[in-house]
Amino acid sequence: AQKITQTQPGMFVQEKEAVTLDCTYDTSDPSYGLFWYKQPSSGEMIFLIYQGSYDQQNATEGRYSLNFQKARKSANLVISASQLGDSAMYFCAMREGYNFNKFYFGSGTKLNVKP
Amino acid sequence: KAGVTQTPRYLIKTRGQQVTLSCSPISGHRSVSWYQQTPGQGLQFLFEYFSETQRNKGNFPGRFSGRQFSNSRSEMNVSTLELGDSALYLCASSFRDRVAHAEAFFGQGTRLTVV
Repeated sequence: AQKITQTQPGMFVQEKEAVTLDCTYDTSDPSYGLFWYKQPSSGEMIFLIYQGSYDQQNATEGRYSLNFQKARKSANLVISASQLGDSAMYFCAMREGYNFNKFYFGSGTKLNVKP
Repeated sequence: KAGVTQTPRYLIKTRGQQVTLSCSPISGHRSVSWYQQTPGQGLQFLFEYFSETQRNKGNFPGRFSGRQFSNSRSEMNVSTLELGDSALYLCASSFRDRVAHAEAFFGQGTRLTVV
């Protein structure tokens, strides 16, 4: 089974509107971390937001928030007030356990922000 | 604080040659992991190093190898290059700790083209 599933290959959003990028995950490890990264065309993976499996509250970082629904194993990224510079690939990733720094990545979502 | 530095940014090699890529992690980070990104396979884990020891290895042939130095800088080597090795190679730097505090930051990547 896929560890991370992103079902939206591409999405469009109007500038200044909010958008939700979906991510579901699969793990039996009680300790895990969920990450979202942005990858512009230059290739660099830019860290956006992180949610730990034991965190009680949803993570927020500026315009980014993570809608963490543990029972449903989903970790959707919400971008508020979209900007043209938000156009990029977005990857959901997971790391399990205490002993590994191995990321599992989803296939990504290409977000296009329209003016 | 300097970010993760990968060199070179771009590389063109001929089939059969070998290549060495370098990754300098964020100061104080002792874990470096490597990923291969291709359009067909997405992001795949290569290996992870911590304190000069390989802790985890992905499902890649033995032509792919790596090492980490005492200053935490890491190199990966690919021998007998094949056309399918053309990819963006990314490294991630982490301060190894409990998952809840283990953010990871990526470099800009090395784009390898094998002709």
